[in-house]
Amino acid sequence: QKEVEQNSGPLSVPEGAIASLNCTYSDRGSQSFFWYRQYSGKSPELIMSIYSNGDKEDGRFTAQLNKASQYVSLLIRDSQPSDSATYLCAVITSGTYKYIFGTGTRLKVLA
Amino acid sequence: DADVTQTPRNRITKTGKRIMLECSQTKGHDRMYWYRQDPGLGLRLIYYSFDVKDINKGEISDGYSVSRQAQAKFSLSLESAIPNQTALYFCATSDTVNEQYFGPGTRLTVT
Repeated sequence: QKEVEQNSGPLSVPEGAIASLNCTYSDRGSQSFFWYRQYSGKSPELIMSIYSNGDKEDGRFTAQLNKASQYVSLLIRDSQPSDSATYLCAVITSGTYKYIFGTGTRLKVLA
Repeated sequence: DADVTQTPRNRITKTGKRIMLECSQTKGHDRMYWYRQDPGLGLRLIYYSFDVKDINKGEISDGYSVSRQAQAKFSLSLESAIPNQTALYFCATSDTVNEQYFGPGTRLTVT
């Protein structure tokens, strides 16, 4: 089992719809969780960080964390073509504080 | 000025040549990382350093070496480049439990 798993996609949604991206992790003791956006050929940029169970909203983005089920998700409301990118989930593991990235989900927002 | 810089941004080299990629940061972070990214494989960790005297191998360190010259500088070397080291290379920094900040990347081609 991979430490951080994401569906590679592509996930295609129409413009204006809600895009839902999911990530599961294996280290139950993990405490820090991040979502990055990466455009093709560019470096990853942080969208959201979340540390506690529940929802965290920032503009059109909402991160959701459920530690009991070991998943973290990202919702993008009113999706725009400019949101088309690969979204990387990252987790800091307990103990060694290793930073683990998932392989990313490619999102395509169709105009 | 960018917080994390990488030089060179693009490099074409021949098989067997030694090459060094350099990374500098002004964020004051102790932790620095080198990743490579290949299409469809996500970010793979090559080496990481938690402080100047602490350097650790990542999941794909074979064929690479690193030097942490100062808190702000972390260099990656390919002692004898081979074509399958053609990839996009990223440097990143972080503090202990928060997000990573990425440099703009170096596109390396080994012919």
